[in-house]
Amino acid sequence: DAGVIQSPRHEVTEMGQEVTLRCKPISGHDYLFWYRQTMMRGLELLIYFNNNVPIDDSGMPEDRFSAKMPNASFSTLKIQPSEPRDSAVYFCASSSPTDMNTEAFFGQGTRLTVV
Amino acid sequence: AQSVTQLDSQVPVFEEAPVELRCNYSSSVSVYLFWYVQYPNQGLQLLLKYLSGSTLVKGINGFEAEFNKSQTSFHLRKPSVHISDTAEYFCAVSDYAGNMLTFGGGTRLMVKP
Repeated sequence: DAGVIQSPRHEVTEMGQEVTLRCKPISGHDYLFWYRQTMMRGLELLIYFNNNVPIDDSGMPEDRFSAKMPNASFSTLKIQPSEPRDSAVYFCASSSPTDMNTEAFFGQGTRLTVV
Repeated sequence: AQSVTQLDSQVPVFEEAPVELRCNYSSSVSVYLFWYVQYPNQGLQLLLKYLSGSTLVKGINGFEAEFNKSQTSFHLRKPSVHISDTAEYFCAVSDYAGNMLTFGGGTRLMVKP
């Protein structure tokens, strides 16, 4: 498997524009997580899904942020409208927890810059 | 609620010297503990994990960590570091319910020649 795939790797957009980040989890994994990494706040969990259903979105900072998982192989994180303080690296991770193997695999991240 | 504290934001060390990166956690339930490494402009890679059993856990690249329940610690160690170990290291905790990870603030390990 190619691992967790995120696109784009880099995104530069103007304030007020809509931004969509994409993630393809590892095949067979039934959990998917979106994290945000900033210098000020470190790594924060934004939202996670189990079997395509959002379980906990308490980390989503504002209504400008939304996430969907229309099927087991694809998820999006959307920011509309974007603001400069949304600049960060956004990571997607997936996992399939069992008694023997509890590990989340991370994508390479999307570096978002809002100017 | 769970939380993780990494006591050192930066640790400079000379090549071939030993290193310890400290991690303390708090949790009201049973925990699973992890150390991840992040190289520049890369995602996070798992170094090692503690799920149960032996409190001394060995991981990749010669790293190991010891789970100490009484001190609620999970410190990471390596007896001899290399230049290539220069990276950011994150300690994380989760409960069993789906690997939702709570991360510490990270420790930047800087290995000098």
